[in-house]
Amino acid sequence: SQQGEEDPQALSIQEGENATMNCSYKTSINNLQWYRQNSGRGLVHLILIRSNEREKHSGRLRVTLDTSKKSSSLLITASRAADTASYFCATAITGGGNKLTFGTGTQLKVEL
Amino acid sequence: SAVISQKPSRDICQRGTSLTIQCQVDSQVTMMFWYRQQPGQSLTLIATANQGSEATYESGFVIDKFPISRPNLTFSTLTVSNMSPEDSSIYLCSGKGRLASEQFFGPGTRLTVL
Repeated sequence: SQQGEEDPQALSIQEGENATMNCSYKTSINNLQWYRQNSGRGLVHLILIRSNEREKHSGRLRVTLDTSKKSSSLLITASRAADTASYFCATAITGGGNKLTFGTGTQLKVEL
Repeated sequence: SAVISQKPSRDICQRGTSLTIQCQVDSQVTMMFWYRQQPGQSLTLIATANQGSEATYESGFVIDKFPISRPNLTFSTLTVSNMSPEDSSIYLCSGKGRLASEQFFGPGTRLTVL
């Protein structure tokens, strides 16, 4: 079964607003990675957070990880129209041999 | 980040034929993987491509349908055999370096089977 569930499935916001996406997973992980996909193209790696980390920042991105709740969130601050894309979380499961299991994804639309 | 290229970028194929997708990675990569993304869906791992030996397939994927080769460290192919319209998907290869945890993806191959 799918390791990660993301919510919301779709999110529409105005440019300049913040966007928050959530990811839940089921089993113990080594790390969790967030990706962006534009219009069915390849995935762009955004950020990786390890199981012993609670928060990471990269530019306008902020990722949190709560291993007790088996959940993560991705916050995009001051969103831009160019942030319009699908966002996926992916977990590297403990003992899983570096394989990634992807969440269901959030479609973000940022309107001008 | 690792540089990963794929070809073809897209193809339209007839039912019953086969298509081989190529993936080239730069020398930072030690592990390679193949994923499938069905229309409107998330990514599902097909297999781990092992250098010089048979790939390791995930549940629901078999070698006869998705033969994979990896003759050297930086190159792999995935063949989609005896295609049907249900095989219409984006196929992506990914790579991971030996010491890094990040996994990087190629641009994908969009396959349409008529």
